[in-house]
Amino acid sequence: EPEVTQTPSHQVTQMGQEVILRCVPISNHLYFYWYRQILGQKVEFLVSFYNNEISEKSEIFDDQFSVERPDGSNFTLKIRSTKLEDSAMYFCASSPNRGTVNSPLHFGNGTRLTVT
Amino acid sequence: TQLLEQSPQFLSIQEGENLTVYCNSSSVFSSLQWYRQEPGEGPVLLVTVVTGGEVKKLKRLTFQFGDARKDSSLHITAAQPGDTGLYLCAVKRENYGGSQGNLIFGKGTKLSVKP
Repeated sequence: EPEVTQTPSHQVTQMGQEVILRCVPISNHLYFYWYRQILGQKVEFLVSFYNNEISEKSEIFDDQFSVERPDGSNFTLKIRSTKLEDSAMYFCASSPNRGTVNSPLHFGNGTRLTVT
Repeated sequence: TQLLEQSPQFLSIQEGENLTVYCNSSSVFSSLQWYRQEPGEGPVLLVTVVTGGEVKKLKRLTFQFGDARKDSSLHITAAQPGDTGLYLCAVKRENYGGSQGNLIFGKGTKLSVKP
């Protein structure tokens, strides 16, 4: 079964550095998402992306964050000038259409980001 | 306050036991989803319930959507160690002016089934 793949599985970075988290969504999916899960807390929506632009973002997704689909397969989340509180699991997800009952989200296994 | 309150927060049982976990809210939803998340992995969709009072079965898992569409339960019969994981309920943010693909999750119930 096709799946969403994320790399790296674990990223350690120093505070203030930039990181890029990479995702390869399922190939025929059109909608892409980033979520994050701080240790012991809820999974939280960050951003949705369709047709090469952001369709919605949460209050967490400030100017420090950006997303890009640089080619036909990758979907990236860039975090500029990382802070300690950015440490979390970051999940990429994709769906064939806008996430509806008949078009559910498929999540990757996440990238664990540790900011030291 | 959390939009979705899940209980219990933790549950540790022996193999073969039955259990029920809950997802409650004071809000009405058009649909509700249940996910299971295993350590080091992303959430995996188990089921979506849409109609008030709806019951869906997935092998030993039984999901029910409350009549008023404010709450849901997940019942597991004869739990097995493979059922161990974090069970999350989620609703679409569209209920709050967002788009359909954006989900609001509960904090989850962490289930441990011991052999």
